[in-house]
Amino acid sequence: DTGVSQDPRHKITKRGQNVTFRCDPISEHNRLYWYRQTLGQGPEFLTYFQNEAQLEKSRLLSDRFSAERPKGSFSTLEIQRTEQGDSAMYLCASSLGSTSGRAKNIQYFGAGTRLSVL
Amino acid sequence: GNSVTQMEGPVTLSEEAFLTINCTYTATGYPSLFWYVQYPGEGLQLLLKATKADDKGSNKGFEATYRKETTSFHLEKGSVQVSDSAVYFCALLVNQGGKLIFGQGTELSVKP
Repeated sequence: DTGVSQDPRHKITKRGQNVTFRCDPISEHNRLYWYRQTLGQGPEFLTYFQNEAQLEKSRLLSDRFSAERPKGSFSTLEIQRTEQGDSAMYLCASSLGSTSGRAKNIQYFGAGTRLSVL
Repeated sequence: GNSVTQMEGPVTLSEEAFLTINCTYTATGYPSLFWYVQYPGEGLQLLLKATKADDKGSNKGFEATYRKETTSFHLEKGSVQVSDSAVYFCALLVNQGGKLIFGQGTELSVKP
């Protein structure tokens, strides 16, 4: 079990640039989640996938944000035309989802990608 | 709507002191409840969980009991260590497999 992996760990960009983050979930997990965490706050849900299908998107996910999970394995989160307010830690989590087993719906988190928009 | 409220930090304790971090929730249906811990520079780690009323989750000396009547899931530890210094997050899961809803986090600092 290699855990959830996120890349890069840190990203510094200038306002207006596009950025893309990658998340590799635990290999047998079919669900993948993205959250955003700002300083001093708890993580806030952005979106999640079951296999390659994007099942829910938060209102926080403006049209500048897009997430994909094309083959049901790794996922990417792209932010276009970054703004200073996008500066945050972007967290990815995965789980072995099951509607019949509550114990399987445990989300395991990666270390996150810290984005700084200058 | 669904929400989680935690006691504000930072909480500063001496080593071997008793710890309580309060967590209350508002939820429709029957949520599962979690405590996650975040050490400096690291991601969130699951500390313990409870999936139904009166369940007690426990791990590494930490405990929390799912109290439906008071909508609470307070985290306790009898004797904290310096290594317990971290930020603790209470969270709930309403729809199985869906999103976690987190509290704002409580920073714990344990002094030797």
